Parts: sequence; C-alpha cells; structure tokens
Amino acid sequence: AQSVTQLGSHVSVSEGALVLLRCNYSSSVPPYLFWYVQYPNQGLQLLLKYTTGATLVKGINGFEAEFKKSETSFHLTKPSAHMSDAAEYFCAVYTGTASKLTFGTGTRLQVTL
Amino acid sequence: SAVISQKPSRDICQRGTSLTIQCQVDSQVTMMFWYRQQPGQSLTLIATANQGSEATYESGFVIDKFPISRPNLTFSTLTVSNMSPEDSSIYLCSVEEDRVGEQYFGPGTRLTVT
Repeated sequence: AQSVTQLGSHVSVSEGALVLLRCNYSSSVPPYLFWYVQYPNQGLQLLLKYTTGATLVKGINGFEAEFKKSETSFHLTKPSAHMSDAAEYFCAVYTGTASKLTFGTGTRLQVTL
Repeated sequence: SAVISQKPSRDICQRGTSLTIQCQVDSQVTMMFWYRQQPGQSLTLIATANQGSEATYESGFVIDKFPISRPNLTFSTLTVSNMSPEDSSIYLCSVEEDRVGEQYFGPGTRLTVT
C-alpha cells in the first residue's frame, strides 16, 4: 500500500522568507512523487514531479523538491515566498502497483507581509 | 496540457435528489478520474472512467450511488444519487495524458446538500 503524510496542515511565512512544506511517503516499490497546488476556487495544478533520475527537481513558480529515498521524503521548498504563493499544497504518490494517485491531506500556505 | 471544464460550478440540492456533473475536455484522453474533496480534507478517488469500459470504483464507492458515464474520449458525467448532507463536497474530474500520475484537473463542482 502507498500513503502520504504531510506534516503541518497550516504553514505561515513572511513574504521573502523560505518556504518549506514537508512530505513523507510510504511505498513498497519505487514511487513517482508529485506536488500539486490548489488556488482558491480552482482545481489542482501540477507544480513538479519526480519519476527517475535527478533527485532534485525544479517546478513552476520557483519551487523545487528533493527526493530522499533514505528518509522517504519529498519536501517542497522555495527560497523566497511571494504573496501569490498563498494556496493549498498537496503531495501525492503514484506506484504501478496501485495504479492511482494517492494524495496527502494538504498544507495551507499563508504568506504575510 | 488538457483544458477541462465542469458544469455546474456549484449547486445547492435537497436531500434525496440527484445531481449530474459534467466534465468536458478539449482533447481526446483515455484516462479520466473523478475525485471527492470534502471540506478541509484531501482528495479521495471515487472512480476511474475509461471510454468503452465500465468505470472502476474505489473501495467505499458504489455504482448505484455514483453512476458514471463515459460516452466518448472528451466527455464524462458523474451522478450523485439520493443525496444526503454527507455528500456535500467538491467533486473534481481529472485526466491523465501521456505521463502516469501527471493529471490535469477541472475547476471542481461545489455541492451543498440541505
């Protein structure tokens, strides 16, 4: 079985500060990992993904994430937060065994002045 | 990337009634999915709808409650039947094109059952 745990349902940062959203996964086979973002009253949008190869992946809007197999983690970071980054962020895992995306519970990012 | 629209965007319905949600894609896709997002919670997959075959339902979801149609490669409907307040959620459709796990989502249908 595959699962995703996102630590922190709410994260608040100041504009210009580092953003760190945590994601840990559980999978018995090599996973594909994703971060999706949901802006208010919109559907989800893919931020970035890890499938194979380079463990540090870059996505849209300056976000990046690093796959650490030893820690079963895929944390999302951005060096400098912007007000427009305020949204709900979901980590997700996909394996060929389950053949479906499994989402974490989400982290709401608040950016303050 | 695919562009997806959903109708209605929101609705308020009385318990015991049914609502059909439409999902339209601007390109032909094989894999379509329906999710439920309950207030303040994550997405839960209801079913996978592939054209030309019966929808595959996840544990806890049944066809009698959530019948799905997939008449062609650009369109699908999800019906929420005999609704109760517990069905109040956002319902999202998504499609997967070439890359597994990489899905494109519609804007969602916000359903309130009174």
